[in-house]
Amino acid sequence: GAGVSQSPRYKVAKRGQDVALRCDPISGHVSLFWYQQALGQGPEFLTYFQNEAQLDKSGLPSDRFFAERPEGSVSTLKIQRTQQEDSAVYLCASSFSPPGGTGELFFGEGSRLTVL
Amino acid sequence: AQKVTQAQTEISVVEKEDVTLDCVYETRDTTYYLFWYKQPPSGELVFLIRRNSFDEQNEISGRYSWNFQKSTSSFNFTITASQVVDSAVYFCALRRKGGSEKLVFGKGTKLTVNP
Repeated sequence: GAGVSQSPRYKVAKRGQDVALRCDPISGHVSLFWYQQALGQGPEFLTYFQNEAQLDKSGLPSDRFFAERPEGSVSTLKIQRTQQEDSAVYLCASSFSPPGGTGELFFGEGSRLTVL
Repeated sequence: AQKVTQAQTEISVVEKEDVTLDCVYETRDTTYYLFWYKQPPSGELVFLIRRNSFDEQNEISGRYSWNFQKSTSSFNFTITASQVVDSAVYFCALRRKGGSEKLVFGKGTKLTVNP
């Protein structure tokens, strides 16, 4: 596709359920990021991949959060045993830029997670 | 630590007015990058501009202009002759050079342009 694609766009989960959010970056993009955006706030960094390598996961809020990008393309963010505080929009972004580059980030429209 | 402050939570103007969105940042790095993104109601963040810390030249792109002042750690964004389509949330962001490429965002300024 032409842009970063995320699915599902909306997800409602009961507290305690596991969820998986998918990101399909722009073809050929090396870098992939996940951000969490709470209502009325700016996006906050969760994790960063360079191809299939997860180089920075310092923003993941707990060990219930797990991300992978096994073939260096599609990425999945998994949240286990969801809690109400996990309710947010999860944004995926990709960039063609190699390490240390200054490439522009292209964002998807996000996956809005609501935990009841 | 890096921090971005956008003190204006919401701004409302009438079409054709000029409006300036403020951004103040904190960083101990000597080399870094500053960004502005626009987030329309659809939710997708749209890149507007990137500035390098060593380039303090102001930039103009159509109705948009940016004023980068390292002395005051500010990177303000001005929209001239605002239009209804400019209504969105605008985010300022900071990234260090090298290392993790993560962006540190401010909390955003919601701009409403009324007809």
